[in-house]
Amino acid sequence: QVQLVQSGAEVKKPGASVKVSCKASGYTFTTDAIYWVRQAPGQTLEWMGWINTVNGNTKYSQKFQGRVTITRDISANTAYMELSSLRSEDTAVYYCARGRYGSGSYHFDYWGQGTLVTVSS
Amino acid sequence: QSVLTQPPSVSGAPGQRVTISCTGSSSNLGTSYVVHWYQQLPGTAPKLLIYGNNNRPSGVPDRFSGSKSGTSASLAITGLQAEDEADYYCQSYDSSLSGPVVFGGGTKLTVL
Repeated sequence: QVQLVQSGAEVKKPGASVKVSCKASGYTFTTDAIYWVRQAPGQTLEWMGWINTVNGNTKYSQKFQGRVTITRDISANTAYMELSSLRSEDTAVYYCARGRYGSGSYHFDYWGQGTLVTVSS
Repeated sequence: QSVLTQPPSVSGAPGQRVTISCTGSSSNLGTSYVVHWYQQLPGTAPKLLIYGNNNRPSGVPDRFSGSKSGTSASLAITGLQAEDEADYYCQSYDSSLSGPVVFGGGTKLTVL
């Protein structure tokens, strides 16, 4: 069965960086894109960016451009999301999700369990 | 301020039918881009409920259905059950600088 398993919770100080991993199993990793979505406490879902797992091409939300880097390691069936210059507003649960394309847009059929990132001095 | 607008909350009694709306604009739902819906139970990751306006993934009960017309979309839940109490989010493609992935603000469904 398809699974996306993320790394564990992180506590970071303002200004630091965090790198979250997302290991895929149960399907061919390079078949689909991996998206990263975050959810601040009590807030809605917010798209951060995505990676083409075949060629490594990425696209980032304007909001996070310059602070977020998404990479992948095909040999490890794993995608990574690194967010730098952390501030308290970045405290959130970060999710990876598998993107499936159809009818002109992507939807997300499998999600990781989420990784809580807490930014606090 | 989310690009897609949803009511903050809806409620219904067990067995009833409820609908959740999702209103967009010409750069997303109004450009014939499809809408997708997710259910998020407390403390868990979102789960795909409806994709491509009105398609259910395997395992999703047919009590859940979706529709779209113009710049609006709706999720309908019939035969409401206590286990349906959750947050629901719509998602679509947006051709403006907000996109390409946009979500609604989310709707909390309370089963009375």
